[in-house]
Amino acid sequence: DAGVTQTPRHEVAEKGQTIILKCEPVSGHNDLFWYRQTKIQGLELLSYFRSKSLMEDGGAFKDRFKAEMLNSSFSTLKIQPTEPKDSAVYLCASSLPGEDTQYFGPGTRLLVL
Amino acid sequence: QQKVQQSPESLIVPEGGMASLNCTSSDRNVDYFWWYRQHSGKSPKMLMSIFSNGEKEEGRFTVHLNKASLHTSLHIRDSQPSDSALYLCAARYNAGAKLTFGGGTRLTVRP
Repeated sequence: DAGVTQTPRHEVAEKGQTIILKCEPVSGHNDLFWYRQTKIQGLELLSYFRSKSLMEDGGAFKDRFKAEMLNSSFSTLKIQPTEPKDSAVYLCASSLPGEDTQYFGPGTRLLVL
Repeated sequence: QQKVQQSPESLIVPEGGMASLNCTSSDRNVDYFWWYRQHSGKSPKMLMSIFSNGEKEEGRFTVHLNKASLHTSLHIRDSQPSDSALYLCAARYNAGAKLTFGGGTRLTVRP
């Protein structure tokens, strides 16, 4: 079974650009999570979907961050417009309801200049 | 203050030594803990999970849980340089699907 896949692995953007990150969860997993990881803040939850329904959209990240689940096997995270403080690693994870162990993808390292 | 507190922030042990990492929840509604390991430049990988009082052992790794004190600990015996990584503790509350992660303990094992 393939694990969680994320593309691209690296992204460099100019301030003000729109970027879209992609994630494919483990086949059969109904829960999908987007996180941002920085050395200072650690792992922060951005969005959480269950069976394509948005369960949580991360409070402080609402204004410029939008996650969507286009179908059960594909999700995107759009950041619009990007700011230098968005530079971080963006991680996608998925899990089976009831099991709840989250499996992480390799992450997208974003640098905003 | 974070809901899940880990200590110490960083830890250095000699090769072959014992590493002990701690994690405490400030919310009594915790019902499950996970330990993840994240090597530099990689994503977190689940090491062990625990929800019952007591201990659980897998190879060189032992996890303890004391539900009364909302505290879990991870012990790594015969530490190897390859164990050098960021160790993240995660907690689940009220049987929800979300996990809350602590800030992590950075372990360095010196050859």
